Amino acid sequence: AQSVTQLDSHVSVSEGTPVLLRCNYSSSYSPSLFWYVQHPNKGLQLLLKYTSAATLVKGINGFEAEFKKSETSFHLTKPSAHMSDAAEYFCVVSDRDTDKLIFGTGTRLQVFP
Amino acid sequence: DGGITQSPKYLFRKEGQNVTLSCEQNLNHDAMYWYRQDPGQGLRLIYYSQIVNDFQKGDIAEGYSVSREKKESFPLTVTSAQKNPTAFYLCASTRGSPYSNQPQHFGDGTRLSIL
Repeated sequence: AQSVTQLDSHVSVSEGTPVLLRCNYSSSYSPSLFWYVQHPNKGLQLLLKYTSAATLVKGINGFEAEFKKSETSFHLTKPSAHMSDAAEYFCVVSDRDTDKLIFGTGTRLQVFP
Repeated sequence: DGGITQSPKYLFRKEGQNVTLSCEQNLNHDAMYWYRQDPGQGLRLIYYSQIVNDFQKGDIAEGYSVSREKKESFPLTVTSAQKNPTAFYLCASTRGSPYSNQPQHFGDGTRLSIL
């Protein structure tokens, strides 16, 4: 079965500093992986997706993620945090066997001025 | 603009009462989903539907029911059998098969609380 583990429940950064949100996955085949962002009392918005075309995936709002098969990781990064990046971020893997998406437990990103 | 509309934004349920959450999409998507979100947890799948007049149970279907009479609409009823219904409910839709790399589009959610 497929699974994802988000290694940090909370991450705090200062505005203008880099962001790193960590995600490890488990999959018996080449996975489809996603990062979504959720602002308070809102739905989820897709940041980026990996579907085996390229290991470095660029998303919206300056975010990117690198697929590393050897480390089974799909970490989300951004060079410079902005106050508007404060939100909850979910790493998600698609499960081909069950036809479902498997969500991580989320990482709450705080950005301090 | 195309999107998913969930209503109401806030809903209160009395003991023993059934309540229905609305989800409408104008994206012409075939597949629709209902998720439950609790603090500190990821999203858990309640029900999903790939085509009209067909739906499948997700991981936590007990105490919930759905219908899919129209492609655009996928209402969720929280029945009195659901003993802990307080949560944030999210509706989503996608084009294509559920496991494919097609991203899901989400509504802005309904927050359900118990009176």
